[in-house]
Amino acid sequence: AQTVTQSQPEMSVQEAETVTLSCTYDTSESDYYLFWYKQPPSRQMILVIRQEAYKQQNATENRFSVNFQKAAKSFSLKISDSQLGDAAMYFCAYRKLGGSNYKLTFGKGTLLTVNP
Amino acid sequence: SQTIHQWPATLVQPVGSPLSLECTVEGTSNPNLYWYRQAAGRGLQLLFYSVGIGQISSEVPQNLSASRPQDRQFILSSKKLLLSDSGFYLCAGHRGSRSLRNTIYFGEGSWLTVV
Repeated sequence: AQTVTQSQPEMSVQEAETVTLSCTYDTSESDYYLFWYKQPPSRQMILVIRQEAYKQQNATENRFSVNFQKAAKSFSLKISDSQLGDAAMYFCAYRKLGGSNYKLTFGKGTLLTVNP
Repeated sequence: SQTIHQWPATLVQPVGSPLSLECTVEGTSNPNLYWYRQAAGRGLQLLFYSVGIGQISSEVPQNLSASRPQDRQFILSSKKLLLSDSGFYLCAGHRGSRSLRNTIYFGEGSWLTVV
């Protein structure tokens, strides 16, 4: 069974600085998708960024980028120029490629605090 | 813009009472739909998923059930709530766009407190 591990329950960063959130996963599949979701105090789950495992190039969305290390099964999220609005719980998630289920397996989350 | 809606947003129910949480999807047809639960301080646990009308798969044994009476409607129910059913419930689904078919999007969530 696939598992997703986020080893940092909490992280903090100063406004305008950079922070990296860690995620590792375990799978026997060779093709899959990885995601980072953000959950602000409103509890709405918001997609931040996604990565297809068959793509070697790291995904980037504005100030958010990932460091995808397939061999190490690592998928970290880097937030540059941190803003107060980035404060939230961040979840790493995995989904295998193919099939009709699209089921996501989530890590337990990392609570990010942004200090002014 | 929001395409997955769920209600009620907040619910306080006594132990032993019934439950009905509803989720509807806009802007796509034949979506896969999911119910997740998030207990306090924990990650998301998949409860049910549905690939079509009347098709329900359960991921964990529990006091809850799900139904899909229409293509874009997904309902989470219980006949008798337990204290352990308290939590934040999220409906999710995937959009019909080809480029986004592999990404699951979430509704606003429903807070359930069983007292």
